Amino acid sequence: DIQMTQSPSTLSASVGDRVTITCRASQSISSWLAWYQQKPGKAPKLLIYEASSLESGVPSRFSGSGSGTEFTLTISSLQPGDFATYYCQQYHTYSTFGQGTKVEI
Amino acid sequence: QVQLVESGGGLVKPGGSLRLSCAASGFTFSAYYMSWIRQAPGKGLEWVLYISSSGSTIYYADSVKGRFTISRDNAKSSLYLQMNSLRAEDTAVYYCARTACSSTSCQYYFDYWGQGTLVTVSS
Repeated sequence: DIQMTQSPSTLSASVGDRVTITCRASQSISSWLAWYQQKPGKAPKLLIYEASSLESGVPSRFSGSGSGTEFTLTISSLQPGDFATYYCQQYHTYSTFGQGTKVEI
Repeated sequence: QVQLVESGGGLVKPGGSLRLSCAASGFTFSAYYMSWIRQAPGKGLEWVLYISSSGSTIYYADSVKGRFTISRDNAKSSLYLQMNSLRAEDTAVYYCARTACSSTSCQYYFDYWGQGTLVTVSS
């Protein structure tokens, strides 16, 4: 099974900050990685797919990069609505999610 | 617009069974793979099963193999999850999700999600 490890688990930030979340795969997954945002009590929302492709309607302050085993999600200027939990997902072999990164004030 | 609405969750005793449904609208249901993903209270996301557009191919997570079955009725634009031999560790919100895999392109990420239905396994 492919394991996905996110860091950090919790991130304290302020509005306007540049935020970076890292996701590492236990083996190469090429670019088969997606990022999701989840707010309390809500379903996850797709942000990024294929490591760096921005889903339609997602603000351009979100960006993704990486390939192989190391990936990052960057929020260029944190907005009030961005305080949430973020998950990476590999879909190279079946599907596995990272444990999540909570972005809080 | 794409809508996915789950139903059928509730309280069930260990060893019991439950059937979840997901009603889809706003897209050509028969063209897409579909999935179930779950989230235990206060925990992260766990992919559970994929089903192909025709229903002929199914992928299971090891944690549910032999106990859970996924099926679909393309005429009714509906997805189902039959859960048997339920355990306390199956307690979770279960999400129905459209998988970005169709006849034109195929990637196994989840582009639309339902609101989820809570399954609680407890005596």
